[in-house]
Amino acid sequence: GENVEQHPSTLSVQEGDSAVIKCTYSDSASNYFPWYKQELGKGPQLIIDIRSNVGEKKDQRIAVTLNKTAKHFSLHITETQPEDSAVYFCAAGSNDYKLSFGAGTTVTVRA
Amino acid sequence: EAGVAQSPRYKIIEKRQSVAFWCNPISGHATLYWYQQILGQGPKLLIQFQNNGVVDDSQLPKDRFSAERLKGVDSTLKIQPAKLEDSAVYLCASSRAGQGGGTQYFGPGTRLTVL
Repeated sequence: GENVEQHPSTLSVQEGDSAVIKCTYSDSASNYFPWYKQELGKGPQLIIDIRSNVGEKKDQRIAVTLNKTAKHFSLHITETQPEDSAVYFCAAGSNDYKLSFGAGTTVTVRA
Repeated sequence: EAGVAQSPRYKIIEKRQSVAFWCNPISGHATLYWYQQILGQGPKLLIQFQNNGVVDDSQLPKDRFSAERLKGVDSTLKIQPAKLEDSAVYLCASSRAGQGGGTQYFGPGTRLTVL
């Protein structure tokens, strides 16, 4: 089955700086790569996703890049704000809709 | 549009007791998922339904876990008997049917503590 590895496990950044989280996957059949944000006591919330026919996608301060050859994808958050503090999960899936999640990255934005 | 609803939000039980969780997906979403999220880990898929049929339950511990989705809408997940290692958040998610991987929307989860 699919195996997704996520790094780093924790990330502390100064407000206004950028944050980068990286993930690798093992199954070349995976073609869908969502990123979720989870706040304390809540379920994961989709923040951005990318499909394998696209190399990069951006939505305001958030961007995701995908390298299918190397089987890795990354989340970039620019101009971080305190409300960006949360746990972020990457995931990989294919046409059968099953998602395999990474272990998560706890992001802390210091004011 | 209402999101995925789950109840209860919290449950504390003794080991060997039984427990059931309920999920109501987003209206019109044919696919429903149950995940287990152990503290400090990412969600792990337990079972996936397409309408009222099971698509994948390969990671469901069938000796103690069961799930059903009668009428293709609401779903219940049951644990009987519970073990200490079942302490986790149980997340329900739903998505529309379609090719290419459907976007999954998660509910708030049920936090289960087994003592």
